Amino acid sequence: AQTVTQSQPEMSVQEAETVTLSCTYDTSESDYYLFWYKQPPSRQMILVIRQEAYKQQNATENRFSVNFQKAAKSFSLKISDSQLGDAAMYFCAYTGQAGTALIFGKGTTLSVSS
Amino acid sequence: NAGVTQTPKFRILKIGQSMTLQCAQDMNHNYMYWYRQDPGMGLKLIYYSVGAGITDKGEVPNGYNVSRSTTEDFPLRLELAAPSQTSVYFCASSSTLNEQFFGPGTRLTVL
Repeated sequence: AQTVTQSQPEMSVQEAETVTLSCTYDTSESDYYLFWYKQPPSRQMILVIRQEAYKQQNATENRFSVNFQKAAKSFSLKISDSQLGDAAMYFCAYTGQAGTALIFGKGTTLSVSS
Repeated sequence: NAGVTQTPKFRILKIGQSMTLQCAQDMNHNYMYWYRQDPGMGLKLIYYSVGAGITDKGEVPNGYNVSRSTTEDFPLRLELAAPSQTSVYFCASSSTLNEQFFGPGTRLTVL
């Protein structure tokens, strides 16, 4: 069975600094998708970034980028130029073929200080 | 385009009561899902559907039932509510592109 592990329950960063959130996963599938979701206090699940396993190039969305290491089954999220609005719970998630459910890690709570 | 909508936003139930959590999407997605999120945890799959008339169990289906009579709607039924069902419930939908869109969640407390 697939599993997703986030080993950092909490992280903190100062405004304008860079922080990296870690995620590892386990799967025997060769084709899959990885996601980072942000959950602010409003509870809404917001997609931050996605990565297709068949793509070697790391995904980037503005200040958010990933370091995808397929052989190591690692998928970390880097947030550059951190802002107060980045404070939230971040979840790493995995899914296989279309229509299969997301498997979530336990999340990392990110706090941002000024 | 409202995306995924859920009602109610909050609900308090007494032990043994039943209720239905409503979920609707207007994106014509085939796939729909129900997750629950317990405090400090990630989301766990309760049930999912790959199209109208087709549903299947997820990781934590006990105490719940679903139906999918239309593409748009995917209600979740709780029978005989128990304190262990106190949680935040999320509905989501997706097309074949794997990205799931989430509703705003329903916070349920069973006392």
